[in-house]
Amino acid sequence: GAVVSQHPSWVICKSGTSVKIECRSLDFQATTMFWYRQFPKQSLMLMATSNEGSKATYEQGVEKDKFLINHASLTLSTLTVTSAHPEDSSFYICSARERLAGRSSYNEQFFGPGTRLTVL
Amino acid sequence: RKEVEQDPGPFNVPEGATVAFNCTYSNSASQSFFWYRQDCRKEPKLLMSVYSSGNEDGRFTAQLNRASQYISLLIRDSKLSDSATYLCVVKRWNQGGKLIFGQGTELSVKP
Repeated sequence: GAVVSQHPSWVICKSGTSVKIECRSLDFQATTMFWYRQFPKQSLMLMATSNEGSKATYEQGVEKDKFLINHASLTLSTLTVTSAHPEDSSFYICSARERLAGRSSYNEQFFGPGTRLTVL
Repeated sequence: RKEVEQDPGPFNVPEGATVAFNCTYSNSASQSFFWYRQDCRKEPKLLMSVYSSGNEDGRFTAQLNRASQYISLLIRDSKLSDSATYLCVVKRWNQGGKLIFGQGTELSVKP
């Protein structure tokens, strides 16, 4: 149980194009999904928190107009990197937190396998 | 200063060795603590939670010292399969369960 998938697992694109990454919770409903970015030899950095049916909350320094997040259902969130540039090349990882009774912030986050984005 | 700090390593140890990782965190409002394991080009996976009383899971022992804002992970009888990056993570319940990751400590276990 508690499986999270991401698609695509890797993508190479030209500078200036937009890339959409999907994050799905396969066997549970996720009220909240998180998007992280990890550069080589660095820690995972939270980019934004998305709650189903509402606008995402972005971390300081993350451009909301560049990284568009949509969480339209309890099992799917998407991250679109608009007008991607080489500096956006990174490992993008999502996580999902199960919708359980009680205080949800206590619940474990389950991570997707990540998407490796390379912008040429 | 980073909120969660770890020695990046790498730690190169022989099979069977005991190795200890340390982590410090700067925000006393941090409320839950974890060790995650991340293999190369993979997602992080929860290894164990960390409690003030200390907790053990097989060859792994984790310890938390809230007064010193210090977390440790001890691995006994290292196996080749333990080679990975170990991430120290703090969780803020009052910020929607936000996870703050350390940079990670790389472990390489050699035959």
